[in-house]
Amino acid sequence: DAEITQSPRHKITETGRQVTLACHQTWNHNNMFWYRQDLGHGLRLIHYSYGVQDTNKGEVSDGYSVSRSNTEDLPLTLESAASSQTSVYFCASSATGEAYNEQFFGPGTRLTVL
Amino acid sequence: AQSVTQLDSQVPVFEEAPVELRCNYSSSVSVYLFWYVQYPNQGLQLLLKYLSGSTLVKGINGFEAEFNKSQTSFHLRKPSVHISDTAEYFCAVTSPNAGNMLTFGGGTRLMVKP
Repeated sequence: DAEITQSPRHKITETGRQVTLACHQTWNHNNMFWYRQDLGHGLRLIHYSYGVQDTNKGEVSDGYSVSRSNTEDLPLTLESAASSQTSVYFCASSATGEAYNEQFFGPGTRLTVL
Repeated sequence: AQSVTQLDSQVPVFEEAPVELRCNYSSSVSVYLFWYVQYPNQGLQLLLKYLSGSTLVKGINGFEAEFNKSQTSFHLRKPSVHISDTAEYFCAVTSPNAGNMLTFGGGTRLMVKP
């Protein structure tokens, strides 16, 4: 079965360190998204990609970057981790075509920045 | 710009009772509306979506939602809840020209008590 996976599932890091969160999907979807989930804010879009070599900033992109070198992967990098980036991060993917296509979510990565 | 407001952050209810989770949206263009559910320590999964046509939409696990354009609402209902329905529920909106980007509400935690 197709799936979307994230690693690690839990990560503790220190302020100022660079951190990369992995996202891998086997749906062969062109669209991929990164969200952060914080209490009271729901999910907020960090970055998204519509295909290989395409990346775009979302609502809360400051301090984050992504790269898309193949269809399956969209790693999220925190260049210099800050305590404000402690959150749960979700990756999602969807098929190209219609705006209402379902997004499929990974299980999430819980990141703590000390 | 679009926005979604979920009026209740938590909804406690007894098992077998009916429940309604409220969602209001703001958009200047036509919309597609979604409800996602997040079970503990899992990613989000789609419950149902409204695209057009009939304003009453049926989803998985006995849930349904009604689109009300005049009140800009998309409330989620279930006539009889089970313990297993305990989860976080998110309302989300997109539009035909939004490139499948979703705007989420803050979430409602449904707590079903025995």
